[in-house]
Amino acid sequence: GENVEQHPSTLSVQEGDSAVIKCTYSDSASNYFPWYKQELGKGPQLIIDIRSNVGEKKDQRIAVTLNKTAKHFSLHITETQPEDSAVYFCPRGYNKLIFGAGTRLAVHP
Amino acid sequence: DVKVTQSSRYLVKRTGEKVFLECVQDMDHENMFWYRQDPGLGLRLIYFSYDVKMKEKGDIPEGYSVSREKKERFSLILESASTNQTSMYLCASSPSGDTEAFFGQGTRLTVV
Repeated sequence: GENVEQHPSTLSVQEGDSAVIKCTYSDSASNYFPWYKQELGKGPQLIIDIRSNVGEKKDQRIAVTLNKTAKHFSLHITETQPEDSAVYFCPRGYNKLIFGAGTRLAVHP
Repeated sequence: DVKVTQSSRYLVKRTGEKVFLECVQDMDHENMFWYRQDPGLGLRLIYFSYDVKMKEKGDIPEGYSVSREKKERFSLILESASTNQTSMYLCASSPSGDTEAFFGQGTRLTVV
């Protein structure tokens, strides 16, 4: 079955700094690589995704990069703001969608 | 607008009670999921369904069952609630595999 590992488990940065979260996976059955953000009191929401025929995708301050050979993909957030503080997940799996423990990002003003 | 609705935001039940958590989606999605979320453990998959009347166990199905009689509704059943089932329960749906999942607002269940 799918195994999802995220690093780091917690990340604390100063406002304006960059943040990088890495996701390592074991199963290559899925060609879809999403990142979700969960704010306090809400369900997770998709913020960016990439498919395996693409190596990188950017959307304003966030980007996702994919290394299929090494089986990891990363979320990059530039110019972090306090509203980026949340838990971030990189779920894996085709029908059976596994989320894992997530990464808690804290952005300090 | 995409919508996944969970029947209750907060619920308090007694140990041994049979508990039903309801989830409805209005997007004609094939896949539906039930997760529980506990501090430090992230989201853990309880059950999922990829078609009407189909159900598959997730990683922590013990103590739970599910029902999907209609495409839009996926119910989570706690046959005999226990205090270790106190948790936040999140329902989600997606059009198919390898597509975006949409979440409900969650149900915080307390078993006393």
